[in-house]
Amino acid sequence: DTGVSQDPRHKITKRGQNVTFRCDPISEHNRLYWYRQTLGQGPEFLTYFQNEAQLEKSRLLSDRFSAERPKGSFSTLEIQRTEQGDSAMYLCASSFSEQGHNEQFFGPGTRLTVL
Amino acid sequence: AQKVTQAQTEISVVEKEDVTLDCVYETRDTTYYLFWYKQPPSGELVFLIRRNSFDEQNEISGRYSWNFQKSTSSFNFTITASQVVDSAVYFCALSERGTGNQFYFGTGTSLTVIP
Repeated sequence: DTGVSQDPRHKITKRGQNVTFRCDPISEHNRLYWYRQTLGQGPEFLTYFQNEAQLEKSRLLSDRFSAERPKGSFSTLEIQRTEQGDSAMYLCASSFSEQGHNEQFFGPGTRLTVL
Repeated sequence: AQKVTQAQTEISVVEKEDVTLDCVYETRDTTYYLFWYKQPPSGELVFLIRRNSFDEQNEISGRYSWNFQKSTSSFNFTITASQVVDSAVYFCALSERGTGNQFYFGTGTSLTVIP
């Protein structure tokens, strides 16, 4: 399978705990994105990497959220001191772009439930 | 302000009927990109089509076709001869050249195809 993969697929945690999600993009893709999707809504942009550089961050990405892509390949999204409002599906997407805005290919998502 | 509006929340059609999903977008950029994605019950977003703002022609791809109207800022998507497997949530998305690479998604239209 050469698509975008995410791990874990489901995470249940207690309020106040830290969680970390991993995304492995399509191998030749230089861009990687994180989105959050809540029930009945479309995905909302969180942050974006081109290779290992984090180039954009949404206002939705509070100080409790941090994302890395250390070698320009896989990425991790960490949420510290989780809150019930963090419960959502966290989606990762990747694309190959040098100029222009190509389509993004999405992974299956990590569903986070904060109790 | 919502950049992408999908006014239809839910649509039901009988199998083999044609169905059109509406999308209205808002942007000040002269160069932008529009996309349609499908999210089946399994949850993974699947890329369907992409349109650049400078492409004037509308196209047909198999059972899918789209109508891009700059004058009304609309990017409607039609499925011809619908099938049960088309049942899913469909999202319209906008990417603007001037605001980076994030996608702005609408709230989605849930399509149910009744056998």
